[in-house]
Amino acid sequence: QKEVEQNSGPLSVPEGAIASLNCTYSDRGSQSFFWYRQYSGKSPELIMSIYSNGDKEDGRFTAQLNKASQYVSLLIRDSQPSDSATYLCAVNIIKSSGNTGKLIFGQGTTLQVKP
Amino acid sequence: KAGVTQTPRYLIKTRGQQVTLSCSPISGHRSVSWYQQTPGQGLQFLFEYFSETQRNKGNFPGRFSGRQFSNSRSEMNVSTLELGDSALYLCASSYSNYEQYFGPGTRLTVT
Repeated sequence: QKEVEQNSGPLSVPEGAIASLNCTYSDRGSQSFFWYRQYSGKSPELIMSIYSNGDKEDGRFTAQLNKASQYVSLLIRDSQPSDSATYLCAVNIIKSSGNTGKLIFGQGTTLQVKP
Repeated sequence: KAGVTQTPRYLIKTRGQQVTLSCSPISGHRSVSWYQQTPGQGLQFLFEYFSETQRNKGNFPGRFSGRQFSNSRSEMNVSTLELGDSALYLCASSYSNYEQYFGPGTRLTVT
């Protein structure tokens, strides 16, 4: 079982729709969760971070975390063609010695928003 | 604030050579992490430095090494390059050791 799993997609949604991206993780010691967006040929860009159970909203983006189910998701409302990219889920495991500075990434989900 | 910078942006090397990549973190950030990204393996953690000390290391061979200077700038070195080392090498800096911000990356091609 991979430590962080995402559907590779592509996930195709029409412009204006809600895109739902999902991620599961295996280590219950995971403490911090991140969503990055990566355009083709570019580096990952941090778009959301979430640390506690529940929802966190930032503009058109909502991150949802359920630690009991080891599940984190990203909702993109009013999807735009410019949202077409690969979305990477990342998890940071905090050890007793402190933050490891290590992010474990899923393989990413490719999102296509069609005009 | 200026973002994370990496030099060089592109590099072509021959098998057996060595290479050094540089990363300058966001001002005030003391943690620098390095990652390798390939189409097959995705983003994989190489190592992380904080205050000139390596705090964590990923599952890469000893040919991959790094260091951090007192101004938080970091370098990574790959010796005896192999074809499989062709990848995008990314560094990320962090202030709080939680949110990491990536640089543009160095695209390494080994021929």
